[in-house]
Amino acid sequence: GAGVSQSPSNKVTEKGKDVELRCDPISGHTALYWYRQRLGQGLEFLIYFQGNSAPDKSGLPSDRFSAERTGESVSTLTIQRTQQEDSAVYLCASSPGLGDGNTIYFGEGSWLTVV
Amino acid sequence: GNSVTQMEGPVTLSEEAFLTINCTYTATGYPSLFWYVQYPGEGLQLLLKATKADDKGSNKGFEATYRKETTSFHLEKGSVQVSDSAVYFCALSERDGFQKLVFGTGTRLLVSP
Repeated sequence: GAGVSQSPSNKVTEKGKDVELRCDPISGHTALYWYRQRLGQGLEFLIYFQGNSAPDKSGLPSDRFSAERTGESVSTLTIQRTQQEDSAVYLCASSPGLGDGNTIYFGEGSWLTVV
Repeated sequence: GNSVTQMEGPVTLSEEAFLTINCTYTATGYPSLFWYVQYPGEGLQLLLKATKADDKGSNKGFEATYRKETTSFHLEKGSVQVSDSAVYFCALSERDGFQKLVFGTGTRLLVSP
């Protein structure tokens, strides 16, 4: 597509429920990233994919968070047993490759509110 | 660890005023530095970047110079427009085998006619 697409754009969920956030990167981009921004804080790196592989998962806040990517395209970020502190904007981004010369393109984000 | 500090907003200016948004960083090594902008209802967009000391990034009338001696990357524009109203994020890239961006908290700019 023309840009990075994320869905849903807004999600309100009850504490304890699971949520899935979807990201469609720009076609042909091999690198994909997930970031989180909680209110009043900077963006926090969560995880990246090169192809379908996530070499470093240490940025995920807890074992309730997981992410996968299939077909070197769509990625899903899953949060199990959501907590109120998970409320944030979840941003997905993609780039043609991993190197410094590659511009990273961001989606508009998925706003998650846990009540 | 690496970090980015930028001035809190909102910054409120009149059209054609001079803009400065301060950004300082703490990093090991020599990171690349970026300014991203988020216009209302849109995703983050790269505004400009600089990859080494004394480099100047520029775009759309905005400029920022990579100052290693002061660990700063202040964003400037000589004459702002209403359409520049947005949230501006300063960031650095940790070269950890991939571009891991470390962001500041963002500064909202409001420009009135």
